[in-house]
Amino acid sequence: QLQLQESGPGLVKSSETLSLTCTVSGGSINSRSHYWGWIRQPPGKGLEWIGSISSGGNTYYNPSLRSRVTIFVDTSKNHFSLKLTSVTAADTAVYYCAGQISYDTLTGYYGPPTHKWFDPWGQGTLVTVSS
Amino acid sequence: QSVLTQPPSVSGAPGQRVTISCTGSSSNIGSAYDVHWYQHPLGRAPKLLIYGNTFRPSGVPDRFSGSKSGTSASLAISGIQAEDEADYYCQSYDSSVSGWVFGGGTKLTVL
Repeated sequence: QLQLQESGPGLVKSSETLSLTCTVSGGSINSRSHYWGWIRQPPGKGLEWIGSISSGGNTYYNPSLRSRVTIFVDTSKNHFSLKLTSVTAADTAVYYCAGQISYDTLTGYYGPPTHKWFDPWGQGTLVTVSS
Repeated sequence: QSVLTQPPSVSGAPGQRVTISCTGSSSNIGSAYDVHWYQHPLGRAPKLLIYGNTFRPSGVPDRFSGSKSGTSASLAISGIQAEDEADYYCQSYDSSVSGWVFGGGTKLTVL
């Protein structure tokens, strides 16, 4: 059973860099069928996709955050990480990591990468940006 | 403002049926990209509820069903229970964003 767990500082100063890591257990981060993604939820708001990375290292970023975001994989530690630079109070949010997949062997559903959904999710970690 | 539009809230009495709509455009749902749904209870992680427009992951009750037509999709919950109170999100892919997008979320209240 694949499980994900976020870790990192819960408090970051304004203008500095937010760094989070997501550790994958119960499976390999090298899985060709998986992408790995970051999603966040600011207080009182909805979910926002931040970016994703494929097992081959291809990255996909939300255009609204692209200039400040980097996602990378460390295969030796079976984890992937998020860096968000020049943070402001608007970056205060619960940050989730999640696996992305587009097939289900039980139902026989197979879809292209664009059809990927997020499953499973980590429990989430609150990051507060302080001034 | 989210790329996918959902009603902010829906409500119903226990046992009733409710539906949550997700309206997109020609760059996402209308381009035949699949729609997926998540249940997000307060203070907990989101949980996959429906994938590929209509498929339920193992363990999800058949009270939950999904559908898609044109540029919109819907989640239906029949026989709602108190434990169904949560926020619900739709998600798809958007070609203009070149990435994945979420709806704004719908809060389900069981009266």
